[in-house]
Amino acid sequence: KAGVTQTPRYLIKTRGQQVTLSCSPISGHRSVSWYQQTPGQGLQFLFEYFSETQRNKGNFPGRFSGRQFSNSRSEMNVSTLELGDSALYLCASSLVEGGDGYTFGSGTRLTVV
Amino acid sequence: AQSVTQLDSQVPVFEEAPVELRCNYSSSVSVYLFWYVQYPNQGLQLLLKYLSGSTLVKGINGFEAEFNKSQTSFHLRKPSVHISDTAEYFCAVSDTAGTYKYIFGTGTRLKVLA
Repeated sequence: KAGVTQTPRYLIKTRGQQVTLSCSPISGHRSVSWYQQTPGQGLQFLFEYFSETQRNKGNFPGRFSGRQFSNSRSEMNVSTLELGDSALYLCASSLVEGGDGYTFGSGTRLTVV
Repeated sequence: AQSVTQLDSQVPVFEEAPVELRCNYSSSVSVYLFWYVQYPNQGLQLLLKYLSGSTLVKGINGFEAEFNKSQTSFHLRKPSVHISDTAEYFCAVSDTAGTYKYIFGTGTRLKVLA
């Protein structure tokens, strides 16, 4: 079966712009989480969605937002990009809420210049 | 709140030798524990997980880990490594009450030498 699909794989944006990243979970998975990975901070939790509802949010500014659609696909948006937002953004899906072992996508590498 | 400590940032080991990657966690509640592997330019792949039951957990690619509640550890082991095991390994914890987030360690870079 198809894995977690993230698009695009690479993205270059300018400071001040906004960006939208997309995630298609494994078919049947209803829980989707997002993580930011940077060399300095490691893997940090952004948010988790289940059945279109945000269940938990990490310690990120309000510029980071997300949503989940009725088909479980999810998007995250970052507005007013800063250089420090450059990172690998990973989406993960799970069959059950909260996850008993998330399956991760390959990520979107965002570079802000 | 939970936290995870991976004591070794890098572990070099010769091919066919055994390896242990250490993970300690801190939590005031019951936890689930996971090990993930990340190859260059890829996402994370689940190696194994401890949810409940037997404390010795076997995963993919010949890896295993043992949950030790008294020592709050979940060390990853493999009896004989291959060059292809060169990657970064992450330990993660989540609570069993369902806060829906994983706390990851800082990772251990395993380098297998020929």
